Amino acid sequence: DAGVIQSPRHEVTEMGQEVTLRCKPISGHNSLFWYRQTMMRGLELLIYFNNNVPIDDSGMPEDRFSAKMPNASFSTLKIQPSEPRDSAVYFCASSLPGARGETQYFGPGTRLLVL
Amino acid sequence: GENVEQHPSTLSVQEGDSAVIKCTYSDSASNYFPWYKQELGKGPQLIIDIRSNVGEKKDQRIAVTLNKTAKHFSLHITETQPEDSAVYFCAALGAGRRALTFGSGTRLQVQP
Repeated sequence: DAGVIQSPRHEVTEMGQEVTLRCKPISGHNSLFWYRQTMMRGLELLIYFNNNVPIDDSGMPEDRFSAKMPNASFSTLKIQPSEPRDSAVYFCASSLPGARGETQYFGPGTRLLVL
Repeated sequence: GENVEQHPSTLSVQEGDSAVIKCTYSDSASNYFPWYKQELGKGPQLIIDIRSNVGEKKDQRIAVTLNKTAKHFSLHITETQPEDSAVYFCAALGAGRRALTFGSGTRLQVQP
């Protein structure tokens, strides 16, 4: 099993540019989560999908952030326009429903730096 | 919503000693409590979890205890080794919810 795959692993961009982060969940998992990690705020849940449908996006900071899950094997998190305060590590995680559905498997993360 | 507090924020122990990390949660309906280990430059990885119907679970050098009455749970690592050095996160899942609430993390340093 390849695990959760995220790309790119590192992204450096200038303020105002559009940033797109990508995630491929583990095959068969039907829940997908986007988290942001910073020193100041720790691990924050941004949004999560169940069966490709956004269930809770209350953690999305503002309208500059958007997430999509067009199919069971792909999700994107987009920031437009990006700002320096968006610099963080963004993690994608997936889980399988059922008795152990709560177990979330994290990807390696995308380290974003907005200059 | 759920609130999870984790202590201490940093912990330094000598190799071979035990380490204990504690978390409290606010939602009495929470029923699943995982612990994650995050090494530098990597995503959090599940190391052990416990459900509300048991009080303790062990896996080799790692154990987790749960006190539902007091709403706290703890991670115990015995015979610590340098490779145990990492950031550890506790989390809680409310009944009927799918999103975990994470603690703020504990940076564990095992001195050789």
